[in-house]
Amino acid sequence: EPEVTQTPSHQVTQMGQEVILRCVPISNHLYFYWYRQILGQKVEFLVSFYNNEISEKSEIFDDQFSVERPDGSNFTLKIRSTKLEDSAMYFCASGFSEYGYTFGSGTRLTVV
Amino acid sequence: EDQVTQSPEALRLQEGESSSLNCSYTVSGLRGLFWYRQDPGKGPEFLFTLYSAGEEKEKERLKATLTKKESFLHITAPKPEDSATYLCAVQATSGTYKYIFGTGTRLKVLA
Repeated sequence: EPEVTQTPSHQVTQMGQEVILRCVPISNHLYFYWYRQILGQKVEFLVSFYNNEISEKSEIFDDQFSVERPDGSNFTLKIRSTKLEDSAMYFCASGFSEYGYTFGSGTRLTVV
Repeated sequence: EDQVTQSPEALRLQEGESSSLNCSYTVSGLRGLFWYRQDPGKGPEFLFTLYSAGEEKEKERLKATLTKKESFLHITAPKPEDSATYLCAVQATSGTYKYIFGTGTRLKVLA
């Protein structure tokens, strides 16, 4: 069964460093998303991406964050100047339509 | 403000003991309601989509139902492998297609 692949599974970074989280969505999917889940809290929407541009972003998704689809297959989330509070599980998701999408297994980001 | 509340927060069942999980939602208009299963350290795994009141979906020991204010996930004769966190999410008509998640119900099924 097709799956969304995320790398790395775990990333440890120093506060203030930049990190890039990578995702390979399911190949014929058109809609792409990033969500995050801080330990013990709800899964929260960050950003949606369609037709090579951001279609919606949350208040969390400020200038510190950016997304890219650099080569038509990968989908990346860049976090500049990481803070301790950025520590969370980051989930990529993709969908063929807007209804119901498939999540990856996540990247656990630890900022120290 | 669009909101999703799940109850109970945690549930322990004996193997074979059926029960229901609740998801109450407040949205300006419902585009769809989704149930996911999440195992520790993993991403949410899709279970069901419900679009309109009265709709029901079934998969193995799970059955999801929808009313105008809430959804139930019924678990019939659960097994230990059903132990997981069950997440409910809604898409509202007011926004684009983002999910608004509840906090989930942690289910533990004892052998």
